Amino acid sequence: DGGITQSPKYLFRKEGQNVTLSCEQNLNHDAMYWYRQDPGQGLRLIYYSQIVNDFQKGDIAEGYSVSREKKESFPLTVTSAQKNPTAFYLCASSIGLAGYSTDTQYFGPGTRLTVL
Amino acid sequence: RKEVEQDPGPFNVPEGATVAFNCTYSNSASQSFFWYRQDCRKEPKLLMSVYSSGNEDGRFTAQLNRASQYISLLIRDSKLSDSATYLCVVNIVGGYNKLIFGAGTRLAVHP
Repeated sequence: DGGITQSPKYLFRKEGQNVTLSCEQNLNHDAMYWYRQDPGQGLRLIYYSQIVNDFQKGDIAEGYSVSREKKESFPLTVTSAQKNPTAFYLCASSIGLAGYSTDTQYFGPGTRLTVL
Repeated sequence: RKEVEQDPGPFNVPEGATVAFNCTYSNSASQSFFWYRQDCRKEPKLLMSVYSSGNEDGRFTAQLNRASQYISLLIRDSKLSDSATYLCVVNIVGGYNKLIFGAGTRLAVHP
């Protein structure tokens, strides 16, 4: 059953704690992405990775970190430096055809993070 | 000005109605266009790509006007199951395929 999985579905964090969100895909996609979604706003790109062992900052990378040690996995750490971390976090992947307009992104089910 | 702008709605329509959503984008380097559907508290799912000549998929028709930087989605014969938020998405092709998302238009279809 191919797809993208994210865990946990819901996550509660105390202020000052770092938390790591999991994202795994078995679609054999090269590119993976992390977005956050806030009410009334479009998705905003946090980090992306076009290939294993490489990743780049997106539009709102401050307070977040990622790693890409395996093709299938792209975990996101929300650090205590992120001032307003409560949001819906979405991971996506695509074949990774940089420069080709038909490279469609597919999303995981998301993790809803709440800071207490 | 937002890079991709949509009317947030909600559009409240009866079953069987025809409804149209519009979207404008500001970056003339945009090269491909999509409509995604997002159900409440779920992930976005690709509804359809939008081609320059316009394209149709069953009850859904998408149109693109590059000169006016304008995209539309028409839904005919609305079903209760069409109730969702529709996201207009623009792809700026470059070093990586950057997607710019609109905030979405909410549709509520009632009996």
